[in-house]
Amino acid sequence: GAVVSQHPSWVICKSGTSVKIECRSLDFQATTMFWYRQFPKQSLMLMATSNEGSKATYEQGVEKDKFLINHASLTLSTLTVTSAHPEDSSFYICSALSGVGNYEQYFGPGTRLTVT
Amino acid sequence: AQSVTQLDSQVPVFEEAPVELRCNYSSSVSVYLFWYVQYPNQGLQLLLKYLSGSTLVESINGFEAEFNKSQTSFHLRKPSVHISDTAEYFCAVRRDKLVFGAGTILRVKS
Repeated sequence: GAVVSQHPSWVICKSGTSVKIECRSLDFQATTMFWYRQFPKQSLMLMATSNEGSKATYEQGVEKDKFLINHASLTLSTLTVTSAHPEDSSFYICSALSGVGNYEQYFGPGTRLTVT
Repeated sequence: AQSVTQLDSQVPVFEEAPVELRCNYSSSVSVYLFWYVQYPNQGLQLLLKYLSGSTLVESINGFEAEFNKSQTSFHLRKPSVHISDTAEYFCAVRRDKLVFGAGTILRVKS
């Protein structure tokens, strides 16, 4: 089956620093990737959608200057949390679609970010 | 816009008992329906999906879900649960984007 990896699986950073999270599709080309955020005991909230080679589309209420998304290739998307603060601590999950008209999203294992 | 309601936040059940996790959706157009499972500190794994065709879909580990268009439901069932089924289950619908329900925690007790 299609596999999506994320790195790192967990990260602790100090307030004010930036953190980059990578999302890779290992055995397929991902035309579209998604970034979700999940708070404890809550559902997944879509943050943004990105297509390879174009700017990401952010959901309402998500700060695009704070959560920088780059989808540089068909197998790699990155999420950079800039000037992180404790309220950014969360579980970030990426997901990928393998082609136009394919409605099945494959999810990465998630990245636990803790900002101290 | 689509929305998903999972009617139970937690469902406790004894091992080998049957279970049903309820999911209702709202959409003015046809959608695709999914159930995902999430184990602690892990990402989501696809459990089963309904895209078209037979309204009863099954997973490899004994779960099944039935798409009911008139009731706009996609309830998840298993006739006999195991301890290892303890996890959080998310129902989701997709048209232009994937929208998740709030999740149901299934706790299987011995």
